[in-house]
Amino acid sequence: GQQLNQSPQSMFIQEGEDVSMNCTSSSIFNTWLWYKQDPGEGPVLLIALYKAGELTSNGRLTAQFGITRKDSFLNISASIPSDVGIYFCAGPDRGSTLGRLYFGRGTQLTVWP
Amino acid sequence: EADIYQTPRYLVIGTGKKITLECSQTMGHDKMYWYQQDPGMELHLIHYSYGVNSTEKGDLSSESTVSRIRTEHFPLTLESARPSHTSQYLCASSATGLAGSPPPNEQFFGPGTRLTVL
Repeated sequence: GQQLNQSPQSMFIQEGEDVSMNCTSSSIFNTWLWYKQDPGEGPVLLIALYKAGELTSNGRLTAQFGITRKDSFLNISASIPSDVGIYFCAGPDRGSTLGRLYFGRGTQLTVWP
Repeated sequence: EADIYQTPRYLVIGTGKKITLECSQTMGHDKMYWYQQDPGMELHLIHYSYGVNSTEKGDLSSESTVSRIRTEHFPLTLESARPSHTSQYLCASSATGLAGSPPPNEQFFGPGTRLTVL
């Protein structure tokens, strides 16, 4: 199956700082999804990207679909304590129309007040 | 807000018990999925379903079984629970990609069931 590599694995930042994380794949993706998981909850979809080069924002979050189609980036500006959680990138199986997703291992974000 | 529900949220049981984890969605999605996730770790697909009476095993071998008798319902069953089954189980669903519905790759997750087998 597809392999998604997320980095960094964890981040410890101070409130107000900006955050950047990325995800790379071993093959081309047609879609990139970014999810956030709060402790003890299920992942929630933050941003969906469908076109190479696309830059999409959702509040303080901005994500980009890399032009090589093998990577994606998520930025969080002016972090706040509620940004704490695990951020996952995900992409669908290219050979499938059935919606199966492959997930990265996640970036654990900790925000100090 | 996605309308997908899981019960129970937390379950602590003894070894050898049979359990069923419930998952229901009210969005009319054809596709449903079960993932297993250890704390702070990646998600592993254990089962998925394309629609009623369709189920497939995922990437991670699991001793659990699933059924899909109704579109909205996708329960997962462990016939004899063991400590190695201790984990978080997440259910998700996605649409078929028809006009007016979200793209087929966008999966919506339930809140999860935290299972502990003693």
